[in-house]
Amino acid sequence: LAKTTQPISMDSYEGQEVNITCSHNNIATNDYITWYQQFPSQGPRFIIQGYKTKVTNEVASLFIPADRKSSTLSLPRVSLSDTAVYYCLVPSSGGSDYKLSFGAGTTVTVRA
Amino acid sequence: GAGVSQSPSNKVTEKGKDVELRCDPISGHTALYWYRQSLGQGLEFLIYFQGNSAPDKSGLPSDRFSAERTGGSVSTLTIQRTQQEDSAVYLCASSLWESTDTQYFGPGTRLTVL
Repeated sequence: LAKTTQPISMDSYEGQEVNITCSHNNIATNDYITWYQQFPSQGPRFIIQGYKTKVTNEVASLFIPADRKSSTLSLPRVSLSDTAVYYCLVPSSGGSDYKLSFGAGTTVTVRA
Repeated sequence: GAGVSQSPSNKVTEKGKDVELRCDPISGHTALYWYRQSLGQGLEFLIYFQGNSAPDKSGLPSDRFSAERTGGSVSTLTIQRTQQEDSAVYLCASSLWESTDTQYFGPGTRLTVL
């Protein structure tokens, strides 16, 4: 089971880049890494997913080093509306253990 | 199309009563997940369904918790003899095929046990 570790919180200012790193030392060969965003009183929503190297979409970039034991979510030029909790998820694929290991989440606070 | 829906949105119950929480996944999604989120905490995985079967139930906190899924669609999470520590938001998610796919979450059911 790939357990994940993230920083508890991060503060930033509008217009800055925010980078959140998630450690997943026991990631399995077939596991993808997915990041979710959660606003208060809402369910999490998908941001980005990757397997290796770099993935970019209209919202964020995801950097995954060659050993895949960590990943970094990069939010470019954040705004106040990016204040949320960000989770990385590494599901266990294969075998009989389907526990899904969400990290404790990183609370990102963006200030004006 | 319609997203994941959950009902009720809020449930207040007395300690010792049984409650049923319902999840309607996105049509065509074969995988369904239940999570629990206590106030200010992260997501705690409870159970995962692939079709109607649950490959892993070990995330359920105690034998008072059970879940079923019928017809590969709707799922019900049942908590018997509720305790105050069961108070939390119960989130349901679905994905197209398997646990590696993107999960789409419902709005959750906020359960308060008095």
